[in-house]
Amino acid sequence: QELLVESGGGAVQPGGSVRLSCAASGFIFSRYAIHWVRQAPGKGLEWVAVISDAGRSTYYADSVQGRFTISRDNAKNVVYLEIPTLRGDDTALYYCTRDYDILISYGMDVWGQGTAVTVSS
Amino acid sequence: IQMTQSPSTLSASVGDSVNLTCRASEDILIWLAWYQQKPGKAPKLLIHKASILQPGVPSRFSGSGSGTEFTLTISSLQPDDSATYYCQKYTHYSWRFGPGTKVE
Repeated sequence: QELLVESGGGAVQPGGSVRLSCAASGFIFSRYAIHWVRQAPGKGLEWVAVISDAGRSTYYADSVQGRFTISRDNAKNVVYLEIPTLRGDDTALYYCTRDYDILISYGMDVWGQGTAVTVSS
Repeated sequence: IQMTQSPSTLSASVGDSVNLTCRASEDILIWLAWYQQKPGKAPKLLIHKASILQPGVPSRFSGSGSGTEFTLTISSLQPDDSATYYCQKYTHYSWRFGPGTKVE
């Protein structure tokens, strides 16, 4: 079974940091790009970032460019999302999802269950 | 590139055929996907490249369009189709979702 499992979320104070993890199983992880998508409570989906299959290329939404860092460890089948300075508008459920090719995307076909980040004092 | 969807909410009956519209502010060729999301669940990919049905998705779902205007059609609406539907563009290494259409 092809699975993505997120972890690392929780309640954090403004200005705090968090590192989210996305662990993959059941497929050849190194052949897929991985995205992070977030959803604020009661709101729609917002694409956050993507990392290519080998990790050589990363792209970010304008809203997080310069703040968030996506990385991956293909030996461990894990992708990370580091958020060093959290703001209230970062409160959301963060999903990781895979994509076969970021040049000619085939859509995000496998999703995790999400990990919640709540930024509050 | 901005994405808009209409209507924001749609009420229909079982057996109806419904059309959901997605518009891009610039030409995105066929680089569009559709997702279904039910409350408390992760999104599910329905269609990519505007009209290619994802394996396992019922054939009552279909996608059409190119350029700036796209349509998701659900023929013979079923109770299980109650959900929010999002379109998503992917161009120039940038992905963006539309605001969604809630189908009741």
